[in-house]
Amino acid sequence: AQTVTQSQPEMSVQEAETVTLSCTYDTSENNYYLFWYKQPPSRQMILVIRQEAYKQQNATENRFSVNFQKAAKSFSLKISDSQLGDTAMYFCAPLYGGSQGNLIFGKGTKLSVKP
Amino acid sequence: SQTIHQWPATLVQPVGSPLSLECTVEGTSNPNLYWYRQAAGRGLQLLFYSVGIGQISSEVPQNLSASRPQDRQFILSSKKLLLSDSGFYLCAWSSGQAQYFGPGTRLTVL
Repeated sequence: AQTVTQSQPEMSVQEAETVTLSCTYDTSENNYYLFWYKQPPSRQMILVIRQEAYKQQNATENRFSVNFQKAAKSFSLKISDSQLGDTAMYFCAPLYGGSQGNLIFGKGTKLSVKP
Repeated sequence: SQTIHQWPATLVQPVGSPLSLECTVEGTSNPNLYWYRQAAGRGLQLLFYSVGIGQISSEVPQNLSASRPQDRQFILSSKKLLLSDSGFYLCAWSSGQAQYFGPGTRLTVL
């Protein structure tokens, strides 16, 4: 079975500091995509960042970056210069099977950014 | 730009009543469409997905059904709601790999 593990149910960070959220997954596929989604208290699911498994270069989006370790099947999210608006649930979600595949969501990490 | 709408935003229904949730997408053609359910404090569970009009795949056996009568319209239905159907329902679309979500519907079955 393809599983996704987010080992940190809750985390907190001071405003302006850096935090890393961990995610590991299990698959036998070689080509796939990885996503991080953010769900603030409004509960709208927002795409944060994506990574193609065939790319060695780690993806970055402004203050968000990933550390993708394909051999270790690890996909962590780093948030730099944390802001109060980053407070949310964060979900790691691999996509297997190409554009016809389906996302598999982890259980999420609740991040609180404190002033 | 693409936008996705869901309605209603909030719904309270008695057990045994019917359900109809609607999702529409604007600004794209022939998208893949998805229905997810999120129970309180938990991750997302894929319920249905569709790759085209009239094409529905079910991931979880339940008393819910889905239909896609038009290219950019996706409907989630039930003939008789159960208490366990309570949750947050999210619709999503994709035209490649990433999925983009609507604002969701909070359903409470009493």
